[in-house]
Amino acid sequence: AQSVTQLDSQVPVFEEAPVELRCNYSSSVSVYLFWYVQYPNQGLQLLLKYLSGSTLVKGINGFEAEFNKSQTSFHLRKPSVHISDTAEYFCAVSGSGNTGKLIFGQGTTLQVKP
Amino acid sequence: KAGVTQTPRYLIKTRGQQVTLSCSPISGHRSVSWYQQTPGQGLQFLFEYFSETQRNKGNFPGRFSGRQFSNSRSEMNVSTLELGDSALYLCASSRLGNQNNEQFFGPGTRLTVL
Repeated sequence: AQSVTQLDSQVPVFEEAPVELRCNYSSSVSVYLFWYVQYPNQGLQLLLKYLSGSTLVKGINGFEAEFNKSQTSFHLRKPSVHISDTAEYFCAVSGSGNTGKLIFGQGTTLQVKP
Repeated sequence: KAGVTQTPRYLIKTRGQQVTLSCSPISGHRSVSWYQQTPGQGLQFLFEYFSETQRNKGNFPGRFSGRQFSNSRSEMNVSTLELGDSALYLCASSRLGNQNNEQFFGPGTRLTVL
């Protein structure tokens, strides 16, 4: 069965500093991986996804993630954060079989300080 | 293109009552999934519907049910509400509900059970 672990529940960082949000997954089959962002009182918005091909994936708002199969990781990075990046970030893996089901990690709250 | 809409946005009920939440997917999307989001359990998959058929179901009691109509709109119902059902309920739609399809999320319905 698939599972996702987000290693940090909260990540405080100063504005314009780089940030990395960590995600590890467990799956016995080929996976598709996603990062979503949730701003207060809103639904989830897709940041980026890994389906196949290049292991470095670029997304919206300057975010990127690297798929590492040997370490079963899919860490999210941004070289310089803004106050507006303050939000909760979720890593997710697709369910097995023909399904739209997503299995989410517990989420990481990114707190960007001025 | 209009996004995923959920109604109502907020709901207050008392224990023992039942509730019905509605989700209208993006036009042309045939898959609708429901998730429960709570501070303690995070984002948990409830069920997925595709072409009016339940394709996947999460680990929730039978009090949680859903359906999908021919126009792909979906409803979920919770009977005999418990305090622990207080949560943000998110609906997501995708075109075909395949593993690599992007899921588009609605803003959610926040249910409070008193």
